[in-house]
Amino acid sequence: AQRVTQPEKLLSVFKGAPVELKCNYSYSGSPELFWYVQYSRQRLQLLLRHISRESIKGFTADLNKGETSFHLKKPFAQEEDSAMYYCALSPGGYQKVTFGTGTKLQVIP
Amino acid sequence: SAVISQKPSRDICQRGTSLTIQCQVDSQVTMMFWYRQQPGQSLTLIATANQGSEATYESGFVIDKFPISRPNLTFSTLTVSNMSPEDSSIYLCSVEFGINQPQHFGDGTRLSIL
Repeated sequence: AQRVTQPEKLLSVFKGAPVELKCNYSYSGSPELFWYVQYSRQRLQLLLRHISRESIKGFTADLNKGETSFHLKKPFAQEEDSAMYYCALSPGGYQKVTFGTGTKLQVIP
Repeated sequence: SAVISQKPSRDICQRGTSLTIQCQVDSQVTMMFWYRQQPGQSLTLIATANQGSEATYESGFVIDKFPISRPNLTFSTLTVSNMSPEDSSIYLCSVEFGINQPQHFGDGTRLSIL
């Protein structure tokens, strides 16, 4: 069975401080991993996916198969980064996507 | 990017009634999904809506309670039947535009049952 764990419900950081949102997964095959973000009063939207290996809004995430992790990082937090972040796993194809419980990031001015 | 319209955006309903939520996409998609997000919790997949066939339901969800229609490649509905306060939740529609593509979400429907 596939599982996604986000251990922190809330992460508070000061503006300009580094951010790391943790995500660990459990899956026997080679999954696709995603980060979704939901800003206040907005829809859930894709932030990035591991196969793209790109930086979006200064965020990056590296898939570590040895540690089964896909942590989201940003070197310098900005106030507009405050949002709810969800890590998600897909086995690929048209199979079920599993979401983590989400981490609320609060950037303190 | 494609537009995913979901309505109503919110509703307050009486216990025992039913509500149908609509999801419209401005381009054809193979897969549409319906999720529930209960207060303070993550997204839980209710079912996958396949065009031309019955929806595929996840464990804990049944067709009698959550009937789904998918009449074409751009539209789906989810009905929440015989509602109780426990059904108060946000219901989300999502779509995949191709195989191995990420899901994209509608704005959600915030449902409150009195």
